This record gives sequence, C-alpha cells and structure tokens, in this order.
Amino acid sequence: EVQLVESGGGLVQPGGSLRLSCVASGFTFSDRHMDWVRQAPGKGLEWVGRISNKGSSYNTEYAASVKGRFTVSRDDSKNSLYLQMNSLKTEDTALYYCASDSGYWSLDYWGQGTLVTVSS
Amino acid sequence: EIVLTQSPGTLSLSPGERATLSCRASQSVSSSYLAWYQQKPGQAPRLLIYGASSRATGIPDRFSGSGSGTDFTLTISRLEPEDFAVYYCQQFGDSPRFTFGPGTKVDIK
Repeated sequence: EVQLVESGGGLVQPGGSLRLSCVASGFTFSDRHMDWVRQAPGKGLEWVGRISNKGSSYNTEYAASVKGRFTVSRDDSKNSLYLQMNSLKTEDTALYYCASDSGYWSLDYWGQGTLVTVSS
Repeated sequence: EIVLTQSPGTLSLSPGERATLSCRASQSVSSSYLAWYQQKPGQAPRLLIYGASSRATGIPDRFSGSGSGTDFTLTISRLEPEDFAVYYCQQFGDSPRFTFGPGTKVDIK
C-alpha cells in the first residue's frame, strides 16, 4: 500500500521557520520526482516546489511566491522528503501536501497533509 | 505563466445525471500535460485523469477526459453519490511546474 505521511506542521510566528517532513512507503521513492503542494484554508491548490530524482541530479524548482525562502530536499536512504520554510509570512498558512510525480506530468500519490499556521 | 480557468464554479446535479466540467487555458497546452483531480472534504486530492484523457489506476470508466489546445473537459457520465466533490484541472509547464485551476464544485441538487 502506498503511503505518504507528512509531519512537522504547527503554529509559528511571522518571520519564523519550520521544517516539514514526508515519509514514503509502498513505491520506489528514489525513482520519483517529488513535490510539495499547499492549500490555504477554503482555497484551491498551489504548487510550492519540487526535487527531481537522482537521475536528474536532484534538481530543485520553486514557485515564485516561495523562492528564496523555502528549500526542498530529500534523503533517498530514508525514503524522506523535506521542506525547509524560512521567513514565514501569514500568507504561507496552509495545509501542505507532499506528492509524487507519476511520470506523466501529474501527481498520483498524495499524503494527507500537515497544517502550517503563521500567526502572531 | 499559463492560467487555467474552470467553469462553472458550482454545478448542482442529481445522482444519475451527467456532469460536464470545463477547463480553459490562457494559451495552448499540450494534451500530455493536462490532468484532473477530485478532492472531497478533509481528503487529499486524487488523480483522476492524466494526459487529458487517460484514466488513472482504479478510476471508474464513468469518468472521462477530452479536449486539446486551450479547451479541456471532464465528463462524469452518471453521477454516483461519492462523486460529489471539488474537481481541479492541472497543467504541467516550465515555470511554475504545476498550475491548478480554481476548481469546480459538484454538489447535490
């Protein structure tokens, strides 16, 4: 059974930092490009960033709204994906999902999300 | 950046009816790069359709996708009670990598 389990969310003050983790099982994590997608309360989906697989040199890409503040990384030995979030803003408040690229320009496996609330 | 627009915003239908959801792109999108997701309250999105018309694993054949260029459609041939949800289209591009439409809510009439 495929599972993606996120953790690390919580309440943080504006300007603060948080590190999210996502542990994968049930598929070959190291083969996949991996992404973070967020959803603000009551809103739609917004892609945050991605890290490619080893074959693509672990290349990282980011949405303009988080570039320079967020960093995506991975540890294939631990089947884990990470999102380091710095200089957090109130508009970063959202449910953060990790998701796996299907190989067909879409996201086929999703975690249940971890909630990040940025508030003073 | 390609912008996706979905219509209608809300679709009120009864079980057994046919649902037709539209996704329009601000510029031409390769069909290979167009996908559809379903999201129910409190749940993560679920991939329904990729490559504009290919059903993802385990997706019932009442769901179908079509379209090309700037106009794409998700059709649910006969609505089942579990199909009432929000549906998002998504395109894959150069930057940002994934762009989602604002969603269409299908609710019970």
